Formats: sequence, structure tokens, C-alpha cells
Amino acid sequence: GAVVSQHPSWVICKSGTSVKIECRSLDFQATTMFWYRQFPKQSLMLMATSNEGSKATYEQGVEKDKFLINHASLTLSTLTVTSAHPEDSSFYICSADRLAGGSYNEQFFGPGTRLTVL
Amino acid sequence: GESVGLHLPTLSVQEGDNSIINCAYSNSASDYFIWYKQESGKGPQFIIDIRSNMDKRQGQRVTVLLNKTVKHLSLQIAATQPGDSAVYFCAELGAEFDMRFGAGTRLTVKP
Repeated sequence: GAVVSQHPSWVICKSGTSVKIECRSLDFQATTMFWYRQFPKQSLMLMATSNEGSKATYEQGVEKDKFLINHASLTLSTLTVTSAHPEDSSFYICSADRLAGGSYNEQFFGPGTRLTVL
Repeated sequence: GESVGLHLPTLSVQEGDNSIINCAYSNSASDYFIWYKQESGKGPQFIIDIRSNMDKRQGQRVTVLLNKTVKHLSLQIAATQPGDSAVYFCAELGAEFDMRFGAGTRLTVKP
């Protein structure tokens, strides 16, 4: 099956620093990748949709200058949390979209990245 | 400030019983639906999907039912096992690249 990796899996940083999270589709090309955030005991929250070669589409309430997304190739999208603060501590998950045939795609999720901001 | 945590709906079943997890979706134009399972500390796993031109789809021990009239989706797990304990999310796909997740239900299987 399709594999999506994330790096790092866990990161601790000081308040005010920036953290980059990578999402890679290892054995397929993904024209679209999604970034989610999950708070404890809450559902996944879609943050943004990342399309290769174009600007990301952000969900309402998500600060695009705070969460920079770059989809540099068909297998790599990065999320950079800029000037991180403790309230940014969360579990960040990406998913990659693969054409499954017909008119719909399959979603494959990465293992997630736990960010802790001190 | 910090977000207020929402307690997920919970479902507790006895091992071997059948489980039914429900989900209401919001967009009548959604045409593709997915159920995910998320175990503690892991990312969500795809379980089963269904398109809007179907009412029912079966997998291995799981069945998804779709009622478009009332915008309702359900996941049935047969002969629930301890390994099925997890949080289950439904997701709807409407317009291209538009995915929305449900709040999730925590399933606990009692031995």
C-alpha cells in the first residue's frame, strides 16, 4: 500500500523559534497534500490544502503567515510553524492524495508529528 | 489562548458484540465518504470508503451505510475485538480537495 512519512516524528522547541515538518509520499506522486492539527481529545482539524506548484489554500481561522506551507514537488510538502508559542503545541498530521481510478482519490495519512513548544 | 477540549462521544461494547458508530455529515454535495480509525499516539488509518451512488459497502468485518436523505453515515463492526478500540472518524469529500472530518467517536471494547 501507499506510504506517507513525516519528519520529525517528535520535536521540542523553545518559544519564538520556527519548526519545519516534512511530509513525503514514498511510493506515489501526490498532487495534493493536506495538513491537519489535532488537539487532545478532539477530532482532526484541517488546516490547509497544499497543491504542488501553487499556493496552499488555508481553512478559515488558520493564519497563513504563521503556518507556512510549501509543496515543492509531487512527493514533498512542508509545514513551517513560525515563531512557535506554547499554544502551537499539538499533533500535526499530513495526508497525501492519490488517484485511485475513476473520479475520486484515496487519502493516505502520515504518522504525525508531535510538537511541543516550551 | 488555548482551545477548550471537547470530550468525544464514547461507545463501550463487549468483546464479540457488534458495534455501530454513527456520523452526520454537513454537505449535501459531498460524494465520497471515508471512515478512519485512530489508535492512541498514531495517525488515522483508512478503514473503508463509500461513494454517494451507493447505500452500502462491505469490507472485512466492517460495513458502511450511507443515507443521503438524512445525511447520515454509519460504520458497523462485526464481532468487535479488543484491537478495535480506537477513535473512529468519518470524513466527507465534496468539492475537489475539500475534506471535512466528523468529531470522532471513541470505541472501547471490554473483554
